[in-house]
Amino acid sequence: DVQVLQSGGGLEQPGGSLRLSCTVSGLTFSHVGMTWARQAPGMGLDWVSGISSGDPGSCTYADSVKGRFTVSRDNSKNTLYLEMNSLRVEDTAVYYCVVGDNPSGYWGQGTLVTVSA
Amino acid sequence: DIQMTQSPSSLSASVGDRVTITCRASQGIRNDLNWYQQRPGKAPKRLIYGASSLQSEVPSRFSGSGSGTEFTLTISSLQPEDFATYYCLQHNSYPRTFGQGTKVEVK
Repeated sequence: DVQVLQSGGGLEQPGGSLRLSCTVSGLTFSHVGMTWARQAPGMGLDWVSGISSGDPGSCTYADSVKGRFTVSRDNSKNTLYLEMNSLRVEDTAVYYCVVGDNPSGYWGQGTLVTVSA
Repeated sequence: DIQMTQSPSSLSASVGDRVTITCRASQGIRNDLNWYQQRPGKAPKRLIYGASSLQSEVPSRFSGSGSGTEFTLTISSLQPEDFATYYCLQHNSYPRTFGQGTKVEVK
């Protein structure tokens, strides 16, 4: 069974930084692309970033996070990361890690990031 | 960027009703479209991939159709567990884009 387990997140002030982690088991992690998506409170889903399979993988970002967020992967640890810098109030959301750069049926449980003074 | 216009934004229906949700892409995306269901407080669940392929273990009352710019999700006979929000997603190009969502509510 494929499992996707997220960690990280929490409360941070505007301008601060946070790192999210996502560990995948049950498949060959290095062979799959990955996606980060988010959902602001009461709002719809937004695509945030994608990274291709391989090492280190090529990355793409939504315009809203480009230059502030960095996605990376450690295939030796089956883990995906999202480094979030220069956080803004509008980054407040539940962040989801998803298997596949074509988002699949395997989603993490979501982790809440709150940016507030 | 490809814009995905989903309609309606909400609908009211009864158990047993046939429900249709539409997504329109701002440019052709072949069949590079998925449909997701999200219940409150839960992660989304993929129902349909490749516009019309049913995800394993998803009930056959769900179906998807379309290609190019027009896509449809149909629930043939709405069940109590189907009251949720539904999203389309295009994966033809970056950035990936979701539709705005359709909330299916109890009439």
